[in-house]
Amino acid sequence: DIQMTQSPSSLSASVGDRVTITCRASQSISTYLNWYQQKPGKAPKLLIYAASSLQTGVPSRFSGSGSGTDFTLTISSLQPEDFATYYCQQSYSARYTFGQGTKLEIK
Amino acid sequence: EVQLVESGGGLIQPGGSLRLSCAASGFTVSSEYMSWVRQAPGKGLEWVSIIYSGGSTYYADSVKGRFTISRDNSKNTLYLQMNSLRAEDTAVYYCARVGKGIAAAGDYWGQGTLVTVSS
Repeated sequence: DIQMTQSPSSLSASVGDRVTITCRASQSISTYLNWYQQKPGKAPKLLIYAASSLQTGVPSRFSGSGSGTDFTLTISSLQPEDFATYYCQQSYSARYTFGQGTKLEIK
Repeated sequence: EVQLVESGGGLIQPGGSLRLSCAASGFTVSSEYMSWVRQAPGKGLEWVSIIYSGGSTYYADSVKGRFTISRDNSKNTLYLQMNSLRAEDTAVYYCARVGKGIAAAGDYWGQGTLVTVSS
């Protein structure tokens, strides 16, 4: 199976900060990479698909980039509602593995 | 409006069986890729299984041979049959609609159903 590794595992930031989360795949996955946001007690919400395509309704402060094995999710200016856990997921292979998650906390 | 509603979770003893359901509305389950994802208490997301519109199925190694994904086209419902349950299967189970091709991502999710495996 393709292993997905996110860094950092946790991150403290302030409202208005620019934040970047990294995801690395154990083999090339082209741009078959998705990003989700999850808040406590809620289902995941799709933010970015195909590495850089913004899901409908998601604010433009979220952006994704990368291809092959290295990917990033960037939040350009953190808002209070962005404090949550973020997961990457590969959909290159039939077994759509997730990264371990990055918890974004208020500083 | 697209909606997914899971049911069937509960407390089950180790070695037991349970069938989860995911009732869909606003789209046709048989025309889409559908997936199950679980989350153990306090842990991250774990992909469990997927069924393609053509009927092919795939499973995580952790559940292969014990879980079976299926769908009932007449009821527009997705299922997950879980056998030989273990304590480590305790989790909230989510169903999700998955896009196709390069857009293969979970764009709609249910609210989740909790499965607790304990004696």
